[in-house]
Formats: sequence, structure tokens, C-alpha cells
Amino acid sequence: GQNIDQPTEMTATEGAIVQINCTYQTSGFNGLFWYQQHAGEAPTFLSYNVLDGLEEKGRFSSFLSRSKGYSYLLLKELQMKDSASYLCAVRSLRSNDYKLSFGAGTTVTVRA
Amino acid sequence: KAGVTQTPRYLIKTRGQQVTLSCSPISGHRSVSWYQQTPGQGLQFLFEYFSETQRNKGNFPGRFSGRQFSNSRSEMNVSTLELGDSALYLCASSLASGNRKETQYFGPGTRLLVL
Repeated sequence: GQNIDQPTEMTATEGAIVQINCTYQTSGFNGLFWYQQHAGEAPTFLSYNVLDGLEEKGRFSSFLSRSKGYSYLLLKELQMKDSASYLCAVRSLRSNDYKLSFGAGTTVTVRA
Repeated sequence: KAGVTQTPRYLIKTRGQQVTLSCSPISGHRSVSWYQQTPGQGLQFLFEYFSETQRNKGNFPGRFSGRQFSNSRSEMNVSTLELGDSALYLCASSLASGNRKETQYFGPGTRLLVL
């Protein structure tokens, strides 16, 4: 099975940078996803990593180290609308199926 | 293209009753997964359906069941409801093309309250 840990809460100031860490232990690894979920809304896809390294998408970047079972999501130039829960999810290593195991989520609060 | 839709959006039931939730995936998507989200446990995987077959199952009791129809629409059923079943139930669909980078798209969820 999967064990996925991420901090419960983080607070940052508008315009700043925040890094959300995610560690995982898994019996098989087939990719790591980050999702954003605003209160009362559905999770929306942010990024995907399957190889080691950094993936950049505008203000958001995600990093993966498979040997360390570690990923982080970097949010730059924070805006008030970035206040949300950020979910780390690991896809298990089984062919052709789609099972994602999620961490409990990190609630990010952006303050003016 | 329309997104994933779920009905109903809100539901109130009492203990012992049963409930059926519905999910319509994005057109062309063949895989539908169900998740339960609670403040304490986060998002937990219930099951995944592909081509009308359950392909994967999470660690939930047999009271939780589902099915998928030939048009890829899916339903999940919870029998003998318990207070602890109060949660947001999310449905997610994907193409199931075999591309491991493929993402899931979530519906707005059904919020179930068991009294």
C-alpha cells in the first residue's frame, strides 16, 4: 500500500514563495500528481512527475526524487486565489489501472 | 466538452437507509473512479470501473458497491448507512488510454449527511 505524508497547514504572504513537501512509501510507483482543491470545489490537476527532476508550469513547479520518496510543489508569486488545499497523490504500479492514493492535503492560506 | 457531472449534489439520509449516487464521466472517458473525502481521512479510494468491470478496489466494507454502464456512466451504492459515512463523495474520470501521464478529472462531488 501507500503511505503519503504532507504538512497539514502552511501560511504565506501574497507575493512570496511556498514549498509544500510530500513524502511517500509505496510498494510500487507509477507517478506522482499534485492537485489543487478550493473549499467546496472538486480537485483540479496541477502537475505530474514520474521521472526525477523539476517540472515547471508557470508559477507552479513540482519536483520528484524517486530514490528518496520525496516530492515538493513550489508556488511562486503567491496570489490570494492560491489559498486552497494542495493534494499529493501517488499512482500505484499496476498496468492499465488508475488507482491514486492521496495524502491528507496541505491547506495553504495566503495573507495580504 | 462538458465536465464530470454528479447527482445529486447534496443528500441527507438517516442511519440504516441506503443511497445511490450517480456519475457521468467526460465524453469519451472510459474509466471512472470513486473517492470518499472526509476532514479527518482526506481523499480515500473506493473503487475504479473500466468497461463495466471493477478493476480496482479500496479498503471499504462491502456496504459500498458500484457499477458502470455501457455508456461509462457509473453509480455507487451505500447500504445500511452509518453516521461515519457522512462525507463528500467524488467521482473522477479518465481516458484510460494507457498513457501513465494521463490525469483524472474530478466531478463536483455529492455531499452526503447521515443523521
